[in-house]
Amino acid sequence: GEDVEQSLFLSVREGDSSVINCTYTDSSSTYLYWYKQEPGAGLQLLTYIFSNMDMKQDQRLTVLLNKKDKHLSLRIADTQTGDSAIYFCAGAGANAGKSTFGDGTTLTVKP
Amino acid sequence: GAVVSQHPSRVICKSGTSVKIECRSLDFQATTMFWYRQFPKQSLMLMATSNEGSKATYEQGVEKDKFLINHASLTLSTLTVTSAHPEDSSFYICSAREQNTDTQYFGPGTRLTVL
Repeated sequence: GEDVEQSLFLSVREGDSSVINCTYTDSSSTYLYWYKQEPGAGLQLLTYIFSNMDMKQDQRLTVLLNKKDKHLSLRIADTQTGDSAIYFCAGAGANAGKSTFGDGTTLTVKP
Repeated sequence: GAVVSQHPSRVICKSGTSVKIECRSLDFQATTMFWYRQFPKQSLMLMATSNEGSKATYEQGVEKDKFLINHASLTLSTLTVTSAHPEDSSFYICSAREQNTDTQYFGPGTRLTVL
């Protein structure tokens, strides 16, 4: 099955850019997602990208997909303290629907 | 955007009792809903896939007689934790798959504490 890996921790200063990386193994993953989870809360879908895209930008968020290397990244521009959370990447195939999650990257934003 | 609700958000129960958790898609129809479990500081673990009108598909290692799933309509799935024990204490999160986009939208989660 799909295996998704992320680095566990990232610390940045307020105002800097954050880049969270993710690698996946299943080349048939059709949808690749980024979710945000604040303490004690459920998952919030931040953005997603289809496998036929290389890049997607949504306000402060930029998702880059390198299909050849099976590498996905989420860049947060002008990181704020409110961005501190756990970020999960997940992949899903077109037919399976169910997503496989990475272990999450804890982003800490220091003032 | 699409909204998924869960009820209750928190529940505390005694060991041996059963607890039902509801997952509703509020503004879209979901033929498929998923139930996840999350242990502290860990990722989500898929427990089962719930399909409207049919039996749920359970992941390996998940006891189907302990975690009863019912998906009676296109907007509602329920998870019943039967004869709960302290080790069942966890954060349970559901998601609903929107038919057209295949995107999963997550509920806010239910914190279950079994005393």
